[in-house]
Amino acid sequence: EAGVTQSPTHLIKTRGQQVTLRCSPISGHTSVYWYQQALGLGLQFLLWYDEGEERNRGNFPPRFSGRQFPNYSSELNVNALELEDSALYLCASSRDWTGRGQYFGPGTRLTVT
Amino acid sequence: AQSVSQHNHHVILSEAASLELGCNYSYGGTVNLFWYVQYPGQHLQLLLKYFSGDPLVKGIKGFEAEFIKSKFSFNLRKPSVQWSDTAEYFCAVGSGGGADGLTFGKGTHLIIQP
Repeated sequence: EAGVTQSPTHLIKTRGQQVTLRCSPISGHTSVYWYQQALGLGLQFLLWYDEGEERNRGNFPPRFSGRQFPNYSSELNVNALELEDSALYLCASSRDWTGRGQYFGPGTRLTVT
Repeated sequence: AQSVSQHNHHVILSEAASLELGCNYSYGGTVNLFWYVQYPGQHLQLLLKYFSGDPLVKGIKGFEAEFIKSKFSFNLRKPSVQWSDTAEYFCAVGSGGGADGLTFGKGTHLIIQP
């Protein structure tokens, strides 16, 4: 069974730019979660998508957004990048909305200069 | 809001030593509990999980964890560690409905010396 995949692996952007990160869940998983792992802040919940809808978001500003496609893959968009957005962005998928067992991808390392 | 506290940020053990990593959480409702491991150069892997039932859960690679509801704890244990257990270990808590995503502890960096 293929795991969660994310692209790209690494990304370097300039402050003020916009970025899109992509995630493909494990086959059969309908829920996708996004997390930010910033240095010194640990893993923080960003967004949760289930069945194509945004179900909940963490304590992040609206410039963090995303969507989930009919095939359950997902995009995370970050607008007006700030230096503190530099982090590892992790995607996780779960078989259903209960979140019972989230399986993580390798992450996308975003560096904002 | 949920919070997770991992008491040991760095732990160094010799091979064959016993391991116990502490995890306490703060949440008033039904919780799902997890331990994840991140080996050097690899991504987060689910080690074990607790939803309900037997409070002693067994995971992969000989790890186990015990849920003590009265103490809001979910400590990770292994009777005899190996050099290959060197990794970062994260305790995580989720609400019963999955709505809030997972709340992670800061992690424990475990180093096993041969």
